[in-house]
Amino acid sequence: DIVMTQSPDSLAVSLGERATINCKSSQSVLYSSNNKNYLAWYQQKPGQPPKLLIYWASTRESGVPDRFSGSGSGTDFTLTISSLQAEDVAVYYCQQYYNSPLTFGGGTTVEIK
Amino acid sequence: QVQLVQSGAEVKKPGASVKVSCKASGYTFTDYYIHWVRQAPGQGLEWVGRIKPSSGGTNSAQKFQGRVTMTGDTSISTAYMELNRLTSDDTAIYYCARGSGVTVAGLIHSWLDPWGQGTLVTVSS
Repeated sequence: DIVMTQSPDSLAVSLGERATINCKSSQSVLYSSNNKNYLAWYQQKPGQPPKLLIYWASTRESGVPDRFSGSGSGTDFTLTISSLQAEDVAVYYCQQYYNSPLTFGGGTTVEIK
Repeated sequence: QVQLVQSGAEVKKPGASVKVSCKASGYTFTDYYIHWVRQAPGQGLEWVGRIKPSSGGTNSAQKFQGRVTMTGDTSISTAYMELNRLTSDDTAIYYCARGSGVTVAGLIHSWLDPWGQGTLVTVSS
């Protein structure tokens, strides 16, 4: 199974500042045939199910604010919130869909400083 | 809009079984996989398995094989997940989610969107 490791476990950021979350996979999730990274990011607010933010490592889902961006390739990925808003307080998860079983990172909690 | 609505909370005794339903609307049920993911209290996300509603074909994580049964009723656009021989470690919120993505060389690659609201399954004596 591909192991997904997120860092940090939690971070506190001031409103309007940048938040950066890292995700590392135990093997590459880059598919050579189409040069796509099989990685997604989700946001989960308290008491709610996860919500898809990004897929193909950097493609924003429709309706997701452009302050959210994804980057990286191979085994190292980053989710960036460029200007943190109060409504962004949540736990964020990465997920690989390169192969089965689907696996998730342990989550990163984002709070307001 | 695309929506997945799950059945209500369940309380079960150790050794019992639970069956959770997931009703889809707003899209053609047979066009997408349905995945099941669980989340233990205060913990992260764990993939349980998936079903292809058009054929009934299923795949599950190794730890659940032999204990989980996933089915679908295309006439009512509803997927089901049944988990047997419950223990306290199975206490969790169980989510269904639609799989979107690609199939390459027969392999399915899915991100999950949207998710159902979740069903809390509590296993307690």
